[in-house]
Amino acid sequence: GESVGLHLPTLSVQEGDNSIINCAYSNSASDYFIWYKQESGKGPQFIIDIRSNMDKRQGQRVTVLLNKTVKHLSLQIAATQPGDSAVYFCAENPTGNTGKLIFGQGTTLQVKP
Amino acid sequence: NAGVTQTPKFQVLKTGQSMTLQCAQDMNHNSMYWYRQDPGMGLRLIYYSASEGTTDKGEVPNGYNVSRLNKREFSLRLESAAPSQTSVYFCASGGRGPYEQYFGPGTRLTVT
Repeated sequence: GESVGLHLPTLSVQEGDNSIINCAYSNSASDYFIWYKQESGKGPQFIIDIRSNMDKRQGQRVTVLLNKTVKHLSLQIAATQPGDSAVYFCAENPTGNTGKLIFGQGTTLQVKP
Repeated sequence: NAGVTQTPKFQVLKTGQSMTLQCAQDMNHNSMYWYRQDPGMGLRLIYYSASEGTTDKGEVPNGYNVSRLNKREFSLRLESAAPSQTSVYFCASGGRGPYEQYFGPGTRLTVT
């Protein structure tokens, strides 16, 4: 079946540096990709999304890049702050407009002061 | 706006007991979802409801039932709890399109 995975379980960065979190997906028919942030003890929070007909999308301090050739998705966080410490999940939508998302296993981002 | 609320926050059940997890949203969203999250794992979809009056199975529906009581409320029922259902359960509702999902704070369930 489809799977969405992240390359690294934990990423440790220095405060102020840029962070890059990677995600590999397997379903070439997926038409929508989303990044969520989950802080300890809380539910996931929507960060940014991108449609499959786009290569790049920017938000506030975050950029998502999509490489459909190699089925790779990344989340870039500029000037990482302690408040960015969390688990980050990518998710894909493989089946139409239902919202039946498939989530990856998550990458823990640790920000060192 | 409270967003998505879930009750209870914590629950301990014995094997074979039943319970219902409650979820409500005040954002007038059509779609609602139930996920489970196991340690070190991403979220897996149990059931979803695209609109009031409709429900459909997700990736891991076995052992669960749902009810979309009205547009605001979507409940998840465990008829006979098993230790394998020990998990954190999240309810979500769909906003701008079904992909921008807003999550509740979760229910931590332990089945002994």
